[in-house]
Amino acid sequence: KNEVEQSPQNLTAQEGEFITINCSYSVGISALHWLQQHPGGGIVSLFMLSSGKKKHGRLIATINIQEKHSSLHITASHPRDSAVYICAVREGGSQGNLIFGKGTKLSVKP
Amino acid sequence: EPEVTQTPSHQVTQMGQEVILRCVPISNHLYFYWYRQILGQKVEFLVSFYNNEISEKSEIFDDQFSVERPDGSNFTLKIRSTKLEDSAMYFCASSRQGNSPLHFGNGTRLTVT
Repeated sequence: KNEVEQSPQNLTAQEGEFITINCSYSVGISALHWLQQHPGGGIVSLFMLSSGKKKHGRLIATINIQEKHSSLHITASHPRDSAVYICAVREGGSQGNLIFGKGTKLSVKP
Repeated sequence: EPEVTQTPSHQVTQMGQEVILRCVPISNHLYFYWYRQILGQKVEFLVSFYNNEISEKSEIFDDQFSVERPDGSNFTLKIRSTKLEDSAMYFCASSRQGNSPLHFGNGTRLTVT
């Protein structure tokens, strides 16, 4: 079974800083998701990727299939980016059967 | 932008009671999912549903749980004879295809007393 590890567990940054959150997994996957969980609990899907790199606004997600590693970058961080960021992987032909990481709690101070 | 909606946002029930959590997926989506998150723990997959039947389920999804799509819009999770350890946030999600991005609802917080 896949093990999904995220680092760091907690991250505090000053507004404007460049942020990197890492995710590694142990077994080959068909897709990797980056999710954002707000303080109220709601979950928003940020990226789904199976190779290369994706960019949306100030967010960039990369994946290295050979290394079994993905990173989520936030440029010019802002206090509204404060949330828990969760990495989740999908194996093989599975659909919604995702294996989730524990999440990285990000706090961006003004 | 279309959203997945879940009701109620918070449900309190007594141990042993049955609860039904409701979800309205995005209208042109074909795949539906339930996940749960016990307070302070990771999100866990419960079940996926496609073409009016369960396509995958986890070990957590035992006979206590059932899902149904009673009409063209609702997708429900029924928990029979609730236990204290069923207290969690339950998230519904949907996707257009099986390998498409997921859209999550805001969750239902279930408290079993």
